[in-house]
Amino acid sequence: GAVVSQHPSRVICKSGTSVKIECRSLDFQATTMFWYRQFPKQSLMLMATSNEGSKATYEQGVEKDKFLINHASLTLSTLTVTSAHPEDSSFYICSAPGAGSSYNEQFFGPGTRLTVL
Amino acid sequence: QQQVKQSPQSLIVQKGGISIINCAYENTAFDYFPWYQQFPGKGPALLIAIRPDVSEKKEGRFTISFNKSAKQFSLHIMDSQPGDSATYFCAASGQGSNYKLTFGKGTLLTVNP
Repeated sequence: GAVVSQHPSRVICKSGTSVKIECRSLDFQATTMFWYRQFPKQSLMLMATSNEGSKATYEQGVEKDKFLINHASLTLSTLTVTSAHPEDSSFYICSAPGAGSSYNEQFFGPGTRLTVL
Repeated sequence: QQQVKQSPQSLIVQKGGISIINCAYENTAFDYFPWYQQFPGKGPALLIAIRPDVSEKKEGRFTISFNKSAKQFSLHIMDSQPGDSATYFCAASGQGSNYKLTFGKGTLLTVNP
C-alpha cells in the first residue's frame, strides 16, 4: 500500500526559531499533499494544500507567512513553521491522495509532534 | 459551519459488544465517506470507506451503513475488542472540493475487557 513518511517525528524548539517538517510519499508520486494540524483531543484541521510546481493554497485563517509550504518534488512537501511560539505547539500531519480511481483515498503520515518552549 | 457532525463524542463498550458511531453531512456534493482510526501519537489510518452508490460495505468486523436520503452514515464495529480502543473520525470529500477531507470531531472509543 501507499506509504507516507514524516520527519522528524518529534521536535522541541525555543520560541522564535523556525522548524521544518518533511512529508514524503515513499512509493508513489503526489502532485498534491495536504497539511493538517491537530490539537489534543481535537479533530484534524486542514491548514493548506501543497501543490507541486505551484503555490500552496491556504485555508481561511492560516497565516501564509508563518506556515511556509514548499512542494519541491513529486514525492516531497515541506512545512516550515517560522518564528515559532508556544501556541504553535501541536501535532502536524500530512497526507497525500492516491492516484487514478483511488484519488479520493488519502494516505496519512505518522505525524510530527512540535513543542515550542 | 461544521459540515460533518459526528456522535457520540465518547463511547464505552464491553468486549464482544457492538460499537456504533454516527455521522451526518450537509454537502450533497460529497461522494466519498471514509472512516479513520487514530491511536494516541499516531497519524490516522484508513479503516473503511464507502461511496454513495451503495448502502452498506463490510470489511471484517467493520461495516459502514450509508443513507443517502438522510445524508447520514455510520460505522459499526462488531465483536469489539480492547485493541479497538482508539479515536475514530468520519470524513467526507468530493471532486468539487478538490478532494479535501472534511472531518467529524471524532469519537473516543473505549472497549473494556
